[in-house]
Amino acid sequence: DGGITQSPKYLFRKEGQNVTLSCEQNLNHDAMYWYRQDPGQGLRLIYYSQIVNDFQKGDIAEGYSVSREKKESFPLTVTSAQKNPTAFYLCASSGGAGGIYEQYFGPGTRLTVT
Amino acid sequence: GENVEQHPSTLSVQEGDSAVIKCTYSDSASNYFPWYKQELGKRPQLIIDIRSNVGEKKDQRIAVTLNKTAKHFSLHITETQPEDSAVYFCAAGSNYQLIWGAGTKLIIKP
Repeated sequence: DGGITQSPKYLFRKEGQNVTLSCEQNLNHDAMYWYRQDPGQGLRLIYYSQIVNDFQKGDIAEGYSVSREKKESFPLTVTSAQKNPTAFYLCASSGGAGGIYEQYFGPGTRLTVT
Repeated sequence: GENVEQHPSTLSVQEGDSAVIKCTYSDSASNYFPWYKQELGKRPQLIIDIRSNVGEKKDQRIAVTLNKTAKHFSLHITETQPEDSAVYFCAAGSNYQLIWGAGTKLIIKP
């Protein structure tokens, strides 16, 4: 464990509220990712960032927003526009110069919206 | 869009036997193929990976094979043990992004 952290582990919110999930890494990785995992499905990419102050939409970005103001941090905001936000959210980071490399995952945040 | 198909969705094997999980990808530009293991409620962790310039890679009881022409790759686990019980995910990627398979739940029967 260690290297990439997510908080909180469990999060409960009422419908209509925005919520921000934290992701921090001390691995000096340039790339960071947010995934959503639903039961019986693989990981679906929400947003990713290759470098500070830059990020790209993934396959399911609607209803989510991110920022990358620091190399170490990549917070995800789940907005009220996300129609089905209850899920397990995983943050990951990856190092290496260009291309694609192993992604290291945080422990995840389980979000429940009622 | 690009996708990765993974089979089977559930695999039950006797302890000590071998397990094989197969994946097929659609993006011919993919050049990196990792396999992750996820135990219940925990984070995915890399168990082995392979790049497109290699056909096979082995690490103790785990091996991965890649057939670029057919666009498929497989995970082989030999001499399975109870601690191998988990969900296994394959992925294929290039240029910072990975496309993930839906996962295989591996059950090791005593």
